[in-house]
Amino acid sequence: LAKTTQPISMDSYEGQEVNITCSHNNIATNDYITWYQQFPSQGPRFIIQGYKTKVTNEVASLFIPADRKSSTLSLPRVSLSDTAVYYCLVGVHHSSGSARQLTFGSGTQLTVLP
Amino acid sequence: NAGVTQTPKFQVLKTGQSMTLQCAQDMNHEYMSWYRQDPGMGLRLIHYSVGAGITDQGEVPNGYNVSRSTTEDFPLRLLSAAPSQTSVYFCASSYSKGVGYTFGSGTRLTVV
Repeated sequence: LAKTTQPISMDSYEGQEVNITCSHNNIATNDYITWYQQFPSQGPRFIIQGYKTKVTNEVASLFIPADRKSSTLSLPRVSLSDTAVYYCLVGVHHSSGSARQLTFGSGTQLTVLP
Repeated sequence: NAGVTQTPKFQVLKTGQSMTLQCAQDMNHEYMSWYRQDPGMGLRLIHYSVGAGITDQGEVPNGYNVSRSTTEDFPLRLLSAAPSQTSVYFCASSYSKGVGYTFGSGTRLTVV
């Protein structure tokens, strides 16, 4: 299973853009990169997923360089409600047979300050 | 509402008791998994299933059993509860390749 490395914690202020970088040096050819957000006492929530280059949705952007050994989650103009733990995962589901399962690391605790 | 439903939300067990944590999804997802999360830590994979009738072990399978008789349900059985199994348990499901997991709201289990 591909391992990931993220900063343990980050602080930011309301209205700023936040970039959280994840390293995944042993990513495999078929692996996707997925980010989740988790609030206390809740299950993780899917934020964004990508394979290469840049992916953007209504919540965040995901930047993946050509070598795919890292990725950066970008949260535009964060608010206090974005305070949460953010997990980077690397893995893929196969269409049949055994699946390469997603493994969660310890995540990054993002604290947004007023 | 579509989603992943876990029951119960809270449970207290005595050491040695057995119980089943229920998980059901109504999204026709092939893939389902069970994770446990201990305080201040990430989620660790217990068991997973890639479809009805197919299950496999994750990182921390000891003390837990699963079965997948239908696409919708993926129960997790604790055979003989131990204090080390005190944790929050999350069930998750997804489509095949390329789509993220949908998680349930969790079951908080305390073993005394």
